[in-house]
Amino acid sequence: DAGVIQSPRHEVTEMGQEVTLRCKPISGHNSLFWYRQTMMRGLELLIYFNNNVPIDDSGMPEDRFSAKMPNASFSTLKIQPSEPRDSAVYFCASSLQINEKLFFGSGTQLSVL
Amino acid sequence: DAKTTQPNSMESNEEEPVHLPCNHSTISGTDYIHWYRQLPSQGPEYVIHGLTSNVNNRMASLAIAEDRKSSTLILHRATLRDAAVYYCVRQGAQKLVFGQGTRLTINP
Repeated sequence: DAGVIQSPRHEVTEMGQEVTLRCKPISGHNSLFWYRQTMMRGLELLIYFNNNVPIDDSGMPEDRFSAKMPNASFSTLKIQPSEPRDSAVYFCASSLQINEKLFFGSGTQLSVL
Repeated sequence: DAKTTQPNSMESNEEEPVHLPCNHSTISGTDYIHWYRQLPSQGPEYVIHGLTSNVNNRMASLAIAEDRKSSTLILHRATLRDAAVYYCVRQGAQKLVFGQGTRLTINP
């Protein structure tokens, strides 16, 4: 298996632009998690899904952030409009079931200028 | 608070054992203790997890205190490739909440 696949690896955009991050979980995994990592705040859980249904989005910082999981093999995290303080590494992770070990993707390095 | 407490950094020598401590004094009876590590420019990687009993796998051992308020990750023979940030994570309410972790440096 190729593992969790995230795209793009790097994204540079200007303030105010829409940003869409993509994630393909490991086939057969039922749970998907979006994390954000910065030097100041470390790894923060933004939202997680179980069987394509959002379970907890309490970590989503603002209404500018939204996440979807239209099917078991694809999820997106969208920021609209983006701001410089959104600059971070965004990780997607999946697990077989909700309480099992996570497999992380390589992350998307987002820079908002 | 669901986060754990770990030293910011530790240093060890190659081929020696490393003991990474973690405090989780408010852990509930059903929370698992997970350990992940993150190498530079990579996503976190699962290391080991446990509930009450000590656990071993090919990467490491996990020693859990009898009262479950603390645990220790043991790398039996550190190599330079073990240099990473190690996170001790409580699994509560179906989700993993990461703390700041311990940055482990291995000296050749």
